[in-house]
Amino acid sequence: QQQVKQSPQSLIVQKGGISIINCAYENTAFDYFPWYQQFPGKGPALLIAIRPDVSEKKEGRFTISFNKSAKQFSLHIMDSQPGDSATYFCAASIQGAQKLVFGQGTRLTINP
Amino acid sequence: DAGITQSPRHKVTETGTPVTLRCHQTENHRYMYWYRQDPGHGLRLIHYSYGVKDTDKGEVSDGYSVSRSKTEDFLLTLESATSSQTSVYFCAISKTYLTGGGNTEAFFGQGTRLTVV
Repeated sequence: QQQVKQSPQSLIVQKGGISIINCAYENTAFDYFPWYQQFPGKGPALLIAIRPDVSEKKEGRFTISFNKSAKQFSLHIMDSQPGDSATYFCAASIQGAQKLVFGQGTRLTINP
Repeated sequence: DAGITQSPRHKVTETGTPVTLRCHQTENHRYMYWYRQDPGHGLRLIHYSYGVKDTDKGEVSDGYSVSRSKTEDFLLTLESATSSQTSVYFCAISKTYLTGGGNTEAFFGQGTRLTVV
């Protein structure tokens, strides 16, 4: 039972383009939605996170858009760079529950 | 990296043998986790611990056991390794920040690549 569904599984974007990764969740009790970035041979690391009381959060070139009624959220990477090539995971949790549920991951490749 | 060390980093083992993976943390965090990462499945929780000798199952716990006799160490044991347990295993700890809404952030180790032949 996959509580968080992520798409696409892989994505190729040209340098300077916009990368978009989508996630959908089922459990309406989720109230914290982080994105993790993983480089080859490394563990995932927190990139950016959002709570459902806002519809958008921006940090540099990375933006999370959140649609509570549709139970969907997405990561947008503006002006994508080769250094952004990595695997990205969305996740969800309930505040205080101390457990994250992860999506399936998206392998992003930025072509120079 | 929140002071998390996994050992070994790589291991090849034969089907049917027991295998133990170790996770060591240096920052005294209460919560520790074991995940496995497989293509198409993302990160799936195997077991987690919320204190010494306090553990619980995750979504893919069959064939795995854990132990936590000290705060700093969390061991994952494959009782009788099978080829389906070939995977990359990650240990993680979680920190909850008291400011900013009490967000919980997970910090991961470098991973252990396990191959069962």
